[in-house]
Amino acid sequence: AQKVTQAQTEISVVEKEDVTLDCVYETRDTTYYLFWYKQPPSGELVFLIRRNSFDEQNEISGRYSWNFQKSTSSFNFTITASQVVDSAVYFCALSEATQGGSEKLVFGKGTKLTVNP
Amino acid sequence: DGGITQSPKYLFRKEGQNVTLSCEQNLNHDAMYWYRQDPGQGLRLIYYSQIVNDFQKGDIAEGYSVSREKKESFPLTVTSAQKNPTAFYLCASSTRDKDEQYFGPGTRLTVT
Repeated sequence: AQKVTQAQTEISVVEKEDVTLDCVYETRDTTYYLFWYKQPPSGELVFLIRRNSFDEQNEISGRYSWNFQKSTSSFNFTITASQVVDSAVYFCALSEATQGGSEKLVFGKGTKLTVNP
Repeated sequence: DGGITQSPKYLFRKEGQNVTLSCEQNLNHDAMYWYRQDPGQGLRLIYYSQIVNDFQKGDIAEGYSVSREKKESFPLTVTSAQKNPTAFYLCASSTRDKDEQYFGPGTRLTVT
């Protein structure tokens, strides 16, 4: 069965520090998708990134970057020069295809990031 | 603006009562999902629907029921059979081609 492990339950940093959130996954599928979502205190999950298992290129979007390493089954997320507004719970998720063609997501338990001023 | 609406934001019920949570989307998505989130936990899938008039059980379907009579709507009923119904419930939708899921703002249900 698919499984996503986010070993860091909580992380606390001071503003402007860089921080990396770890995500390790397990799957028997050869084709899959990995996701990161942000959940601010308001509760709504905000989509950050989707990565295809065939695309191992790292991605950068502003202060956010993602490192996908198939060899270690990891999809880590780095925030550079963190800001107070980055404080949230971050979830890593792995897709699992259904018979009908859409996907179910298997979520990790999340990492709560607190950025202190 | 396209999006997903869930109402109400907060819901209070007495033990033994059924309660229905609303989820509406105007994104023209075929697939819709219900998740439950408990403190310190990830999201767990309750039910999902890939198309109108069809839905499948997720990982924790016991004590819940759904319907999908319209593409835009996927209401979730929390029945009295659900032993621990107090939780944060999130609805999501997606296209059928493996795009990301979009989430609603959630409903926090408290049963006493």
